[in-house]
Amino acid sequence: SQQGEEDPQALSIQEGENATMNCSYKTSINNLQWYRQNSGRGLVHLILIRSNEREKHSGRLRVTLDTSKKSSSLLITASRAADTASYFCATDRGSTLGRLYFGRGTQLTVWP
Amino acid sequence: SAVISQKPSRDICQRGTSLTIQCQVDSQVTMMFWYRQQPGQSLTLIATANQGSEATYESGFVIDKFPISRPNLTFSTLTVSNMSPEDSSIYLCSVVIGGDEQYFGPGTRLTVT
Repeated sequence: SQQGEEDPQALSIQEGENATMNCSYKTSINNLQWYRQNSGRGLVHLILIRSNEREKHSGRLRVTLDTSKKSSSLLITASRAADTASYFCATDRGSTLGRLYFGRGTQLTVWP
Repeated sequence: SAVISQKPSRDICQRGTSLTIQCQVDSQVTMMFWYRQQPGQSLTLIATANQGSEATYESGFVIDKFPISRPNLTFSTLTVSNMSPEDSSIYLCSVVIGGDEQYFGPGTRLTVT
C-alpha cells in the first residue's frame, strides 16, 4: 500500500516562479527522498532528508521535514521550463533499506 | 551515485509470453530492488533481489509470476511471466548506495498486447 500522498496532484506555473510540493506519510521513517521523473522515464534522485533533519538545500531545491506532522515539502525556486516533470516523495519503512513507499506524485508544468 | 543500465529499454510483447529484463550496475552493491510503475500510477516495490539466495517478494507479488535472479553484486534479472495486458508497466531496478540514498535505473517500458 502507498505510504505517501503528494499535494497538489498537478501544479502549473510560469518560469521564474517558485514551486512548492507537499508530501504526507503515515508511519515513522528513517528518511524521506524526493525524485523527479520526466515523461515516464527513470527516476532522478534529488535529495534525501533524514528524520533528525528539518531542512536541506541542494542548488535551487529546498526540502523541509516535519516528523511531528509526518509531512515534507519540496520547494523549487526560480523554476525553469526544464523543471517540468513529475515529482515523487518516497519514504522508507523505518527498518529496511531500499523498500520504499512512493506517493502518487505531483505533475509540475513550468511554462516559458 | 551509481550508473545503472537496463535492457531492453522498451518492448512490445504478446500476451502469454515472458520477458526478461536485465539490470547492470557499474559498482558492487549489496541491495538491489525491482519496482513497477503502472500507467499513470506511482511506483510499487515488487521484490528485493538477494545475491546468492531467493528474492524476497512483497505482498501481491509471487515468484512464479516474477522470477528474479541475482548471480552477483552488479547484475540482476526480472522475468515477467505469462504476460497479460495488466502487466503493461515501466519496470525499474534500484540500488542503495552510500548508506541510504537510493538510485533507479532508466526503466523498461513494457506493453503487452
